[in-house]
Amino acid sequence: GENVEQHPSTLSVQEGDSAVIKCTYSDSASNYFPWYKQELGKGPQLIIDIRSNVGEKKDQRIAVTLNKTAKHFSLHITETQPEDSAVYFCAPWGGTELTFGQGTILTVHP
Amino acid sequence: KAGVTQTPRYLIKTRGQQVTLSCSPISGHRSVSWYQQTPGQGLQFLFEYFSETQRNKGNFPGRFSGRQFSNSRSEMNVSTLELGDSALYLCASSVDRPNTGELFFGEGSRLTVL
Repeated sequence: GENVEQHPSTLSVQEGDSAVIKCTYSDSASNYFPWYKQELGKGPQLIIDIRSNVGEKKDQRIAVTLNKTAKHFSLHITETQPEDSAVYFCAPWGGTELTFGQGTILTVHP
Repeated sequence: KAGVTQTPRYLIKTRGQQVTLSCSPISGHRSVSWYQQTPGQGLQFLFEYFSETQRNKGNFPGRFSGRQFSNSRSEMNVSTLELGDSALYLCASSVDRPNTGELFFGEGSRLTVL
């Protein structure tokens, strides 16, 4: 099965700073790479995704970059705001199911 | 458009009992996936149903089972509950395979086993 490692496990930034979370996967056949955000008491919500034929995708303050050769993809959040505080999960698709990383607790201090 | 609805939201059971959790997917979604979320193991895939058929299954013992009805609603059952089954059980729905479109999660059913 797919092995997924996500770093860092916790990340603390000041409002306005940038945040980067990295996800490394093992299955070279993986072709879909989403990032989910989970707020307290809620289920995960998709915030951005990328497919294997694209190297980078942006959506306002959020971007995802993919390096298929090295088998990792990263979430970039610019101009962070307190409402970005949450747990973020990568979940590469290996062909049968999404395999979630262990999560990164992001705290944005005002 | 209504989201994914899970019931009950909270429940407490004792060891040895069984539990049934329900999930109503978004209208038009035919795929329902179930995940177990715990602080130690994170989000782990249980199974996925599509058009009443189990399409994929994760690495969980046979005490964990599920089914899907013709209206796409799904249930999961855990028999002979153990303390380690305490977790948040999340249901998610999608139009088809989870990688073909956005996977929508419910808010989960929090199970406590005493």
